[in-house]
Amino acid sequence: TQLLEQSPQFLSIQEGENLTVYCNSSSVFSSLQWYRQEPGEGPVLLVTVVTGGEVKKLKRLTFQFGDARKDSSLHITAAQPGDTGLYLCAGDLRDTDKLIFGTGTRLQVFP
Amino acid sequence: DTGVSQNPRHKITKRGQNVTFRCDPISEHNRLYWYRQTLGQGPEFLTYFQNEAQLEKSRLLSDRFSAERPKGSFSTLEIQRTEQGDSAMYLCASTPGTGAYEQYFGPGTRLTVT
Repeated sequence: TQLLEQSPQFLSIQEGENLTVYCNSSSVFSSLQWYRQEPGEGPVLLVTVVTGGEVKKLKRLTFQFGDARKDSSLHITAAQPGDTGLYLCAGDLRDTDKLIFGTGTRLQVFP
Repeated sequence: DTGVSQNPRHKITKRGQNVTFRCDPISEHNRLYWYRQTLGQGPEFLTYFQNEAQLEKSRLLSDRFSAERPKGSFSTLEIQRTEQGDSAMYLCASTPGTGAYEQYFGPGTRLTVT
C-alpha cells in the first residue's frame, strides 16, 4: 500500500502552460517536502512545509500543505522546459524518523 | 563541493558477486539515510544512522544487505551475492538534525546486476 499517492503520474505540456501536481494521503505528516529529480541524479529539495494550510512560493512554483496535513499540492505557473523532471513529494510521519516518498509525477515541458 | 557524494556512480556486476557502495555526507550532518529507487518509482527507505549507530532497518533490507558508518562520518552499503532484483539506484541522504526533516541527497549509485 502506497502511503503517498501523487497525481497525475505523467504530464506533458507546452511551455507557458500552468499545471498542478497533487500529493494525497490518509496519514498525517509532521512535515512534507517536495523534491525534483533529473535522470541519473539524486532528488533535490525544493521546499518544506510544516504548518497546516501553509503556502510557500519559490519563483513560479507555489506549494500548499493541506489544513489537516494529509495532502499537498505544487502549482507551476508558465512552465518552462527547465522545469522538466520527476517531482516527488515526501512526508515525515509523526513518531518515525524516515521519509515516505510519493509515487512521483514525471513532467515534460516542450518548447 | 560540500554536498553529499557517492561512489561509484555506476556499477555493473554479475549475479552472485558482492558489491560495496560508499556515501560521504555533508560534514557535521548527524543523520545518514540509504534508499533504493527503481525505475519510475519514488525512493524507498532502507536504513539510517544517527552518528555511528544504525537505528532502523527496513524489511526491504534482506540479510544480504549490510550497512555501516564506523566513525559517524562516511557510510558503506554492501550487498552480498547480488541478484538481478537488486538492480536499482541506491541513494544516500544526510540531515543536520535528529529528525528526517529536509534531507540532502547524493547523486546515487546505479547498480546493474547481469
